[in-house]
Amino acid sequence: QVRLQESGPGLVKPSETLSLTCSVSGASMSGFYWSWFRQPPGKGLEWIAYIYYSGVTNYNPSLRSRVTISVDTSKRHFSLKVSSVTAADTAVYYCARAEDGQLGDYWGQGILVTVSS
Amino acid sequence: QSVLTQPPSASGTPGQRVTISCSGSSSNIGSNTVNWYQQLPGTAPKLLIYSNNQRPSGVPDRFSGSKSGTSASLAISGLQSEDEADYYCAAWDDSLNGAGVFGGGTKLTVL
Repeated sequence: QVRLQESGPGLVKPSETLSLTCSVSGASMSGFYWSWFRQPPGKGLEWIAYIYYSGVTNYNPSLRSRVTISVDTSKRHFSLKVSSVTAADTAVYYCARAEDGQLGDYWGQGILVTVSS
Repeated sequence: QSVLTQPPSASGTPGQRVTISCSGSSSNIGSNTVNWYQQLPGTAPKLLIYSNNQRPSGVPDRFSGSKSGTSASLAISGLQSEDEADYYCAAWDDSLNGAGVFGGGTKLTVL
C-alpha cells in the first residue's frame, strides 16, 4: 500500500521560507513523478511542482521564482520550499505520486500551513 | 480564474445520472489526457478517472469519463448519498511549459 505523509511547521511568519517534506512508504520512488499541490481554505486545487525520481523538475510558472522541489530517493522522501511567503500562501499542502500523464494517484492527507506573524 | 472551466454546482437525486463538464483549450485538454478527482469534505483528493476514461482499481464503474476535442465530462450513474463531494478536472498544459492545471471544482449535492 503506497502511503505519503507530509510533515513540517504549521505556522510560518511572513517573508520567511516554508519547508515541507513528504515521506513515501510502500513503494519505490523509481519511475514516478512526485508532486506538490495546495488548496487555500475554501478554494480549489493548485499544482505547485513535480520532480521525477531522476531529478527532472517542473514548476507552476506563477510560483517558479519562489519554489524549489527536491528528492532524496535513498531516504524515500521529497521536499518543497516556498520562499518569501505571504498570507496568500496559507493553504493545505498535499504531496502526491503520479505516473506519466497523471497529476496524482496516491496523495498524502495534507498539512495546513498558516502564514501569520 | 481557473484554466479549466467547470460549473460551480450540480445536483441530483439518488439513483439519477449526473454529468459534470470541463472545458479547456487546445493546449491542455485538446492535447493531453484528463484526470478527474473527488474530494470529500476535509479529505485529500481521490483519483477517479485518468487518461480521459480509465478508472483506477477500486473506483466503482458508476463513474465514467469521456473527452471530445477541448472538453471533457464526468458521468456518475446510480447517484448515491456518499457521492456528495467536490469534483475537479485536471490536465497538463503545453502552453504553460507543461504545468498542471485544474478546473475550479464542482460541488455535487445529492438531494
